[in-house]
Amino acid sequence: KAGVTQTPRYLIKTRGQQVTLSCSPISGHRSVSWYQQTPGQGLQFLFEYFSETQRNKGNFPGRFSGRQFSNSRSEMNVSTLELGDSALYLCASSLDTTNTGELFFGEGSRLTVL
Amino acid sequence: GENVEQHPSTLSVQEGDSAVIKCTYSDSASNYFPWYKQELGKRPQLIIDIRSNVGEKKDQRIAVTLNKTAKHFSLHITETQPEDSAVYFCAASRRNNRLAFGKGNQVVVIP
Repeated sequence: KAGVTQTPRYLIKTRGQQVTLSCSPISGHRSVSWYQQTPGQGLQFLFEYFSETQRNKGNFPGRFSGRQFSNSRSEMNVSTLELGDSALYLCASSLDTTNTGELFFGEGSRLTVL
Repeated sequence: GENVEQHPSTLSVQEGDSAVIKCTYSDSASNYFPWYKQELGKRPQLIIDIRSNVGEKKDQRIAVTLNKTAKHFSLHITETQPEDSAVYFCAASRRNNRLAFGKGNQVVVIP
């Protein structure tokens, strides 16, 4: 069974631009969560989608948005990029529907903002 | 929302010794407590988890203990080996709420 796939793996943008990251969960997983990972800050929760609905949202500004499609694939978008948005963005899917089960992480999309 | 804190941020141990990482959580309603291991350049992976109806769980050299009264849980690694060197993240959640992670602990096993 294929794991969680994230694209692109690496990207470089400049301040003010926008970016869209994609995540394909493990087949059959309907819950998809997004995390931002930066050195010293750990894994900061962005949002979680379940059955195309945003079920939970973290404390990030409105420039960060996401969505989930009917096939459970998810995208996140960051508009008006800032230098501080440089990070590894991790997507995770879960078979569990209650957020009390194992998360399977992708390898991440590493965003560099210049 | 749930807030999880981990201590210490970095832990160095001699190979063969034990390592203990402690986490505290804020939401008394949290009932699921997983630990994830992230090796350098790799994705986080679940190594062990515990639910609030259990006080301790073991899996070979690793164990997790939970103290609901004090709202803390700990990861214990015995007979540490070089491959245990990694960043360990604790997390907590309750039904349908987000899984909140701590900031991570860097464990360095010295051969």
